[in-house]
Amino acid sequence: AQSVTQLDSHVSVSEGTPVLLRCNYSSSYSPSLFWYVQHPNKGLQLLLKYTSAATLVKGINGFEAEFKKSETSFHLTKPSAHMSDAAEYFCVVSATYSGNTPLVFGKGTRLSVIA
Amino acid sequence: DAGVTQSPTHLIKTRGQQVTLRCSPISGHKSVSWYQQVLGQGPQFIFQYYEKEERGRGNFPDRFSARQFPNYSSELNVNALLLGDSALYLCASSSSDRRNTEAFFGQGTRLTVV
Repeated sequence: AQSVTQLDSHVSVSEGTPVLLRCNYSSSYSPSLFWYVQHPNKGLQLLLKYTSAATLVKGINGFEAEFKKSETSFHLTKPSAHMSDAAEYFCVVSATYSGNTPLVFGKGTRLSVIA
Repeated sequence: DAGVTQSPTHLIKTRGQQVTLRCSPISGHKSVSWYQQVLGQGPQFIFQYYEKEERGRGNFPDRFSARQFPNYSSELNVNALLLGDSALYLCASSSSDRRNTEAFFGQGTRLTVV
């Protein structure tokens, strides 16, 4: 079975400082991993995805994540936080062994950006 | 291009009632999935449909059912509503049912059961 653990329920950073949102995964198979963002009263938007190609994945809005198999981690980073980055972030894993590919979400990390 | 559209956006129901939620996928997408997001939690998988066939079902009771129509739109039905069914219900569409395929989410239907 697949699962993800987001290690922080809430992260607060100052504008212009780096962002680190931590995620560990568990999967019996080679996983596909995603980060989604959810702004208040808006749908989920894909930030980036890892699908067994390059281990360093670049996404939208300056975010990137590094897949580390030895640590079963897929942490999300951004060099400099912007006020508009304040939102809920979800680490997501998908099975890769069959056509049935439900997404398994973490519990989310709420990112606050302080001016 | 229109994204994933869900209707209604909000609704309030009474315990014991039945509800139907609707989803129109992005044009050309044949896979639709439903997720339940309880306040403060991540979305949980309910159903996946591809080419009008059920491809997967999450750990939800039989009160939950769904179907996909020939035009690939989908309905989620919940019978005998409980207070615990109050949640944001999200629909996601994708171009196939294969791994790595990006899922595009609608803005959801917020269901309140009183």
